[in-house]
Amino acid sequence: AQKVTQAQTEISVVEKEDVTLDCVYETRDTTYYLFWYKQPPSGELVFLIRRNSFDEQNEISGRYSWNFQKSTSSFNFTITASQVVDSAVYFCAFLRTSGTYKYIFGTGTRLKVLA
Amino acid sequence: DSGVTQTPKHLITATGQRVTLRCSPRSGDLSVYWYQQSLDQGLQFLIQYYNGEERAKGNILERFSAQQFPDLHSELNLSSLELGDSALYFCASSGGQQYNEQFFGPGTRLTVL
Repeated sequence: AQKVTQAQTEISVVEKEDVTLDCVYETRDTTYYLFWYKQPPSGELVFLIRRNSFDEQNEISGRYSWNFQKSTSSFNFTITASQVVDSAVYFCAFLRTSGTYKYIFGTGTRLKVLA
Repeated sequence: DSGVTQTPKHLITATGQRVTLRCSPRSGDLSVYWYQQSLDQGLQFLIQYYNGEERAKGNILERFSAQQFPDLHSELNLSSLELGDSALYFCASSGGQQYNEQFFGPGTRLTVL
């Protein structure tokens, strides 16, 4: 069965610190997608990134970067020089692309960035 | 603003009742997805429609149903409501494939008393 684990329930950092949010997934599938979403206090969900299981290249987008390692089944998200506006709940998700459709979310990590 | 609209924003109803949530996707998007977010269950994918047809099913209860109309808007029908159905229901849309970036609406907060 597929599973997504975000072990960090809540993280607090001081502004300008770097922070890494962990995501570990379980699957026997060879093809799948992984996602990160942001849910700020206003409540809406915002797509951040999608990564295909065949593409292990790390990605950087501004202050955001993602480290995908199939060997450890992890897809971690790092925010560099955090800002107060980064305060939100971040969800990691797994999408199965073969067989029965499964789209599974982790329980989320609440990030608080303090000024 | 994602371009996805959902109505109503809030809904308060009683157990046993039936409600309909409405979603209008971004202009040009053919796929609509429904999600439920509750304290107990977290964020769950319910169902996806693509150009009027059901494309994928997640953890949707039999008491729930959805459809997508020719104008591509979608409705999620929840019946025989229970206290545990209280949640935030999100709609999202995307341009095509299931793996594309999804754009989320602001959600409908359902409270069942």
